[in-house]
Amino acid sequence: GAVVSQHPSWVICKSGTSVKIECRSLDFQATTMFWYRQFPKQSLMLMATSNEGSKATYEQGVEKDKFLINHASLTLSTLTVTSAHPEDSSFYICSARDRANEKLFFGSGTQLSVL
Amino acid sequence: AQSVTQLDSHVSVSEGTPVLLRCNYSSSYSPSLFWYVQHPNKGLQLLLKYTSAATLVKGINGFEAEFKKSETSFHLTKPSAHMSDAAEYFCVVSPFAGGTSYGKLTFGQGTILTVHP
Repeated sequence: GAVVSQHPSWVICKSGTSVKIECRSLDFQATTMFWYRQFPKQSLMLMATSNEGSKATYEQGVEKDKFLINHASLTLSTLTVTSAHPEDSSFYICSARDRANEKLFFGSGTQLSVL
Repeated sequence: AQSVTQLDSHVSVSEGTPVLLRCNYSSSYSPSLFWYVQHPNKGLQLLLKYTSAATLVKGINGFEAEFKKSETSFHLTKPSAHMSDAAEYFCVVSPFAGGTSYGKLTFGQGTILTVHP
């Protein structure tokens, strides 16, 4: 079946540094990818929707300059958390929509801890 | 290791009839289980979650699910379907009982629910 590879699965960084998370569709082309964040004991919250070759659409309350999303190809989207702070510590997960059949597949998530 | 299998990729029902979306899981730990729904052009919405409390979980919009450990199942049901229920539904398992504070989520393949007038 279709696979979405999300990397890294776990990252610890110092406050003030930037962290890049990759979301890659391994055997299908994804015109649309979604980025979610999960706060402790809460459900996933959509951060942004990215379409290949165009700017991401951010949900209300999500800082565009803080969470940079790039969807440069049909198989790769990246989320960069810039100047990370401890409050950015969270679980981030991506999903990708298969261009061929509109099915949605999920990455395994990235646990970010900012010290 | 954990996995989740949604047994039906598509389910079609008539408005006013019951809905059953099936989900089986495997987990090396006591799992937390969730059902999410995604309507077209919207993000995921949490319907309900099981976190080792009552095995019958009631969620939003009239949905409920029952955790059956002996059957490793967490099927989603609704007594009477509404047109607005048409969407894609995902069963999700997490290895941490008591919530999903931090944990590796594993998603099922999704079930598309179609509701006919």
